[in-house]
Amino acid sequence: GAVVSQHPSWVICKSGTSVKIECRSLDFQATTMFWYRQFPKQSLMLMATSNEGSKATYEQGVEKDKFLINHASLTLSTLTVTSAHPEDSSFYICSVPPDSNYGYTFGSGTRLTVV
Amino acid sequence: AQSVTQLDSQVPVFEEAPVELRCNYSSSVSVYLFWYVQYPNQGLQLLLKYLSGSTLVKGINGFEAEFNKSQTSFHLRKPSVHISDTAEYFCAVSGWGAAGNKLTFGGGTRVLVKP
Repeated sequence: GAVVSQHPSWVICKSGTSVKIECRSLDFQATTMFWYRQFPKQSLMLMATSNEGSKATYEQGVEKDKFLINHASLTLSTLTVTSAHPEDSSFYICSVPPDSNYGYTFGSGTRLTVV
Repeated sequence: AQSVTQLDSQVPVFEEAPVELRCNYSSSVSVYLFWYVQYPNQGLQLLLKYLSGSTLVKGINGFEAEFNKSQTSFHLRKPSVHISDTAEYFCAVSGWGAAGNKLTFGGGTRVLVKP
């Protein structure tokens, strides 16, 4: 089935710095990717949908200038958390749209801790 | 708009006992339904999905779920659990057509299997 590679698996950064998270589709082309955020012991909330060659679509309440999404190619989408603060500490997961056989495929997630 | 409700936030169960995780959904369009499992600090793994056809869906690791359109439910069951089934389980729904491919998650059910 589809394979999605997400890096890094975990990152610790200082408050005020920026962090980039990458999501790659390894064996297929993905014109769309989804970015989710998951706070401890909570469910996954869709943050935005990245589209190759065009602007990302953000969900209501998600700050576009803080969470920069770039879908640079058909196999790579990146999420940059700018000027990170401790409240941005969370688990971020990317996903690609469903394949008829395998449903949605998720990356392994990135644990971000801002200190 | 679509939403998913998982009625139990935590389910303790003894090893080799059966377990049922309840999921109800609402949607204005036809839906795809999914169950995912998440182990600590990991991404999501698909257990099973309902797209169409038989309402009884069998998945991996001995899990199965039944789609009930009249009750808008998609409950997950396993006849005999193992310690290794301790994890967080998410029910999710995706709409068809113009609703796009967004995946909406329930709040999750934490299963704790006791020896």
